[in-house]
Amino acid sequence: DQQVKQNSPSLSVQEGRISILNCDYTNSMFDYFLWYKKYPAEGPTFLISISSIKDKNEDGRFTVFLNKSAKHLSLHIVPSQPGDSAVYFCAASAETGNQFYFGTGTSLTVIP
Amino acid sequence: DADVTQTPRNRITKTGKRIMLECSQTKGHDRMYWYRQDPGLGLRLIYYSFDVKDINKGEISDGYSVSRQAQAKFSLSLESAIPNQTALYFCATSDGAAGSFSYNEQFFGPGTRLTVL
Repeated sequence: DQQVKQNSPSLSVQEGRISILNCDYTNSMFDYFLWYKKYPAEGPTFLISISSIKDKNEDGRFTVFLNKSAKHLSLHIVPSQPGDSAVYFCAASAETGNQFYFGTGTSLTVIP
Repeated sequence: DADVTQTPRNRITKTGKRIMLECSQTKGHDRMYWYRQDPGLGLRLIYYSFDVKDINKGEISDGYSVSRQAQAKFSLSLESAIPNQTALYFCATSDGAAGSFSYNEQFFGPGTRLTVL
């Protein structure tokens, strides 16, 4: 059973606008969340993370928001750039656990 | 040079054949992982190793085995490949020095695309 879900397989956004990628999880024990970015023919690379003690973490154009009560997190990219076109995976883990659980990915296309 | 390398990058094989996928890393990390990626299913953990003497099953270990030959090397074997093992396989590493597992970012290799006919 998928514990981390990304319900939008794809998203298209105009350059300069905001991209919002969503992720939902079911396990209330998850307390650490990451976003990875993946280009074709490459492995995923770490983008940004957030701990459950925070509800927001920002790194340049990337901001992750966490809503623990809704078991929902989102990644905002502002402004979006063509180089942001990639597949984005969210992942979650519990401090008491021993693995990350990944979502199915959202393919973002930023149109110039 | 890449920090995490995987060989081969692509492999086509037949049902019943034994296949080994290799992973090497120069990051000096203790922890290594094997994942597979399937369309619509994301990345799923096959096996992980927190040091040379430690091997653990992930959520989908059936049909696979691993060997941690050294801190820097972690191999994944399919003893008798079957078509539903056709997938993209990723090796990853993380630093175990920071303590809790969940707070260690993972670094991925470029992947091996395996096709089993």
